[in-house]
Amino acid sequence: QKEVEQDPGPLSVPEGAIVSLNCTYSNSAFQYFMWYRQYSRKGPELLMYTYSSGNKEDGRFTAQVDKSSKYISLFIRDSQPSDSATYLCAMNTGFQKLVFGTGTRLLVSP
Amino acid sequence: GAVVSQHPSWVICKSGTSVKIECRSLDFQATTMFWYRQFPKQSLMLMATSNEGSKATYEQGVEKDKFLINHASLTLSTLTVTSAHPEDSSFYICSARTGAEDTQYFGPGTRLTVL
Repeated sequence: QKEVEQDPGPLSVPEGAIVSLNCTYSNSAFQYFMWYRQYSRKGPELLMYTYSSGNKEDGRFTAQVDKSSKYISLFIRDSQPSDSATYLCAMNTGFQKLVFGTGTRLLVSP
Repeated sequence: GAVVSQHPSWVICKSGTSVKIECRSLDFQATTMFWYRQFPKQSLMLMATSNEGSKATYEQGVEKDKFLINHASLTLSTLTVTSAHPEDSSFYICSARTGAEDTQYFGPGTRLTVL
């Protein structure tokens, strides 16, 4: 079993939809959670960084962490074609190497 | 803020030659830098972790004599692929972390093609 599980997709949605991306993990010691967006042939771009259970909002993005269920989510409101990319969740125990999910490919059609 | 650059963005070389890739943190001091490689449609694979002024720590299965890493300053790390072969062709990405917060900022990546 992988430490971090993430559905690879692709996830196809129409423009304006609410997108839900998820990861589950098995290591209860993980304390820090990140979401990265990666466009094709580019490096990952940090979207959200959280370290506690609950929600964190930044513009159209909301990150949700449920440590009791070992489950994290990223919600994208009013999705745009420019949101089409691969979304990677990542986590660690604190100043250690990141453990990544496999990434979910998102396609937002106009 | 938190901008990381890489140079070159792409490189093509002949088999047997060495290639150097630079990673720079432009607006912050990076106490730790990381080197990853990524194959098409796969996630990032950590190759090594380097701290300024000390030897890099390589992940299991990564040949340290083939992938030389130097982290000579708080803003620059280099990865040298020595005696490159076609199987080394990949997308190499660096990231940098400050000492203050536990997150990594990634460079734009370098695409290496070995003929």
